[in-house]
Amino acid sequence: AQTVTQSQPEMSVQEAETVTLSCTYDTSENNYYLFWYKQPPSRQMILVIRQEAYKQQNATENRFSVNFQKAAKSFSLKISDSQLGDTAMYFCAFMKHVYLGYSTLTFGKGTMLLVSP
Amino acid sequence: DGGITQSPKYLFRKEGQNVTLSCEQNLNHDAMYWYRQDPGQGLRLIYYSQIVNDFQKGDIAEGYSVSREKKESFPLTVTSAQKNPTAFYLCASTREVSNQPQHFGDGTRLSIL
Repeated sequence: AQTVTQSQPEMSVQEAETVTLSCTYDTSENNYYLFWYKQPPSRQMILVIRQEAYKQQNATENRFSVNFQKAAKSFSLKISDSQLGDTAMYFCAFMKHVYLGYSTLTFGKGTMLLVSP
Repeated sequence: DGGITQSPKYLFRKEGQNVTLSCEQNLNHDAMYWYRQDPGQGLRLIYYSQIVNDFQKGDIAEGYSVSREKKESFPLTVTSAQKNPTAFYLCASTREVSNQPQHFGDGTRLSIL
């Protein structure tokens, strides 16, 4: 079974600054996917970024980037130039690769990020 | 626009009563999922379905039941056996094979009267 750990229940950052959210995971799988989801106060779950474990290059999406360290089983999210709209709960999630059928997501407990003016 | 519709947005249950949460998608996705979200707990998987007329238990299936009679629909019934049903429930779906991310509905908040 996989586990995902987010050790920071809450974080705060000022507008325009950079913040990094931590995520570690435990798995015996070699082929898998990692995701960051954002849940703003509206409670809609929004995919922020994803990383394939077989890719060494870190994924980036505009102001969002990850630091994927496979050996250390670490998957942190960096938000650059933070904006007020980034205020949300952020969830790290793990999904193992399967060759047939569908896989399931295992979520961390989340980190609440507050961006202040 | 394609998406996942969950209804109702808020639902109240009396003690001993079964209630059904609706989840409909028009994305032509094959797999659908139900999650429960509690404060400080993240999302936990209740049930999932890969094809019509088939579904599998997730990590916390006790006290819940599902059906998948149509590709577009995956309703969740919270039975009276679920002793602590107050939570936020999220439905999700995904297409094709396992490397695709899940898309989520807007959720249903269930409370006990």
